Amino acid sequence: DTAVSQTPKYLVTQMGNDKSIKCEQNLGHDTMYWYKQDSKKFLKIMFSYNNKELIINETVPNRFSPKSPDKAHLNLHINSLELGDSAVYFCASSLRGVGDTQYFGPGTRLTVL
Amino acid sequence: QKEVEQNSGPLSVPEGAIASLNCTYSDRGSQSFFWYRQYSGKSPELIMSIYSNGDKEDGRFTAQLNKASQYVSLLIRDSQPSDSATYLCAVYSGTYKYIFGTGTRLKVLA
Repeated sequence: DTAVSQTPKYLVTQMGNDKSIKCEQNLGHDTMYWYKQDSKKFLKIMFSYNNKELIINETVPNRFSPKSPDKAHLNLHINSLELGDSAVYFCASSLRGVGDTQYFGPGTRLTVL
Repeated sequence: QKEVEQNSGPLSVPEGAIASLNCTYSDRGSQSFFWYRQYSGKSPELIMSIYSNGDKEDGRFTAQLNKASQYVSLLIRDSQPSDSATYLCAVYSGTYKYIFGTGTRLKVLA
């Protein structure tokens, strides 16, 4: 009965490759997010989606393309991976997104070689 | 640029003591405030949320909010080694955006 799930948990790939991370929430929430956490533990928002609509794109390179097929899913596709993309990526969801609690997925550790 | 600031630590306290974690934020219009705990290699999990000035208690945890001073804190009473983690302060800054501090690493010494 995992609330927010992500796959894969680990991703190791070469520079220049394209990869995707999938996220699903079974909480019935309207809003989903992608965060990037760097090696210094700084958690930075990348995207916010509300009812499948993109609300926030936080100056993320356009190599990153989120897609929300329905409000329970938010996937992240990354083209032409670079060394600096190595990080832990967290998906999260919240009920409405207007100041309510966020629930985080387990994270995907991406390593670009 | 809206910011949330925390002392990165580590903050070391002996077992059984009170741990005090602090956070300041720059956006005076912020309305919702959160403390998350993150163990190494794990995802952030909610400890407390607070929305109005004053104290909010939940078990060994007390969150304190002072909007005039733009300050939110978390007190952990009777600290246990299992409380050793990074504590993230988060602020809702509007339009579906939450801003996180860099976190304070807490070490509870047995």
